[in-house]
Amino acid sequence: AQKITQTQPGMFVQEKEAVTLDCTYDTSDQSYGLFWYKQPSSGEMIFLIYQGSYDEQNATEGRYSLNFQKARKSANLVISASQLGDSAMYFCAMREGPGGGADGLTFGKGTHLIIQP
Amino acid sequence: EAQVTQNPRYLITVTGKKLTVTCSQNMNHEYMSWYRQDPGLGLRQIYYSMNVEVTDKGDVPEGYKVSRKEKRNFPLILESPSPNQTSLYFCASSHQGRDNSPLHFGNGTRLTVT
Repeated sequence: AQKITQTQPGMFVQEKEAVTLDCTYDTSDQSYGLFWYKQPSSGEMIFLIYQGSYDEQNATEGRYSLNFQKARKSANLVISASQLGDSAMYFCAMREGPGGGADGLTFGKGTHLIIQP
Repeated sequence: EAQVTQNPRYLITVTGKKLTVTCSQNMNHEYMSWYRQDPGLGLRQIYYSMNVEVTDKGDVPEGYKVSRKEKRNFPLILESPSPNQTSLYFCASSHQGRDNSPLHFGNGTRLTVT
C-alpha cells in the first residue's frame, strides 16, 4: 500500500484563486512529520512547509498553509492567491518515527499544478 | 551559503562505463540520501547514510553503490550503468534526530545511459 497518496495528477487553476492540493498518508506511528515540496520546471526541489503529528495548529508559511486532519490522515496544501510562478510539481512527503527515522522521506507521486492567467 | 552540491548536472554515458556522481553538503548534516525521480513514480530512495561510515539500502539500491568516508561527502557510484538507470538523481541531506528537519536537496543530476 502506498504510504503517501496524491490523487490529483494535474490541476489547472486561474490566477489569484486559492488552490488545495490533496495528500493522504498511511502510518501506524504516533510520531511523524509531513512535508510539502515544490519542483518547478527547472528541476530543483524546494521545501515549502512542515507539519508535525503532535502540532495542534495547522502550519502556515506565507501564502502556504497545511490543512492537517489527523483523524482522516490528510495533509492538504493550500496556496492562497495563486500566482503564475506557482506552476510546478508539488510533492507531499512523510517522515515516520521519532528522532528523524532511518528512512528519510517517503514521497507521493506528485501533483502538476498549472496556473492560468 | 548553505547548500547541497551535486556534480555533474547532466551526464550522458554508455552501458557498462563506470561513473560517479558527487555530492557535498556544507551544513554539517549527519543524514544524507540519494533519490531517483522517474515520471509517474515520484522520488524513490536509493541509499542513505545516518553518519560517517554508516550506509544502508533504500527502496531501489540495485545497481548502485555509495560511500561515506567524510561527513560532508556522499558519492553515488554506478559500477556498470544500464539504460534502466536513466533518470534524474537527487542528493539530499538533513539533521539526524530532529523530526522537523527538512531534507535539503541538490539541484539534481540528469543521467542518460545509452
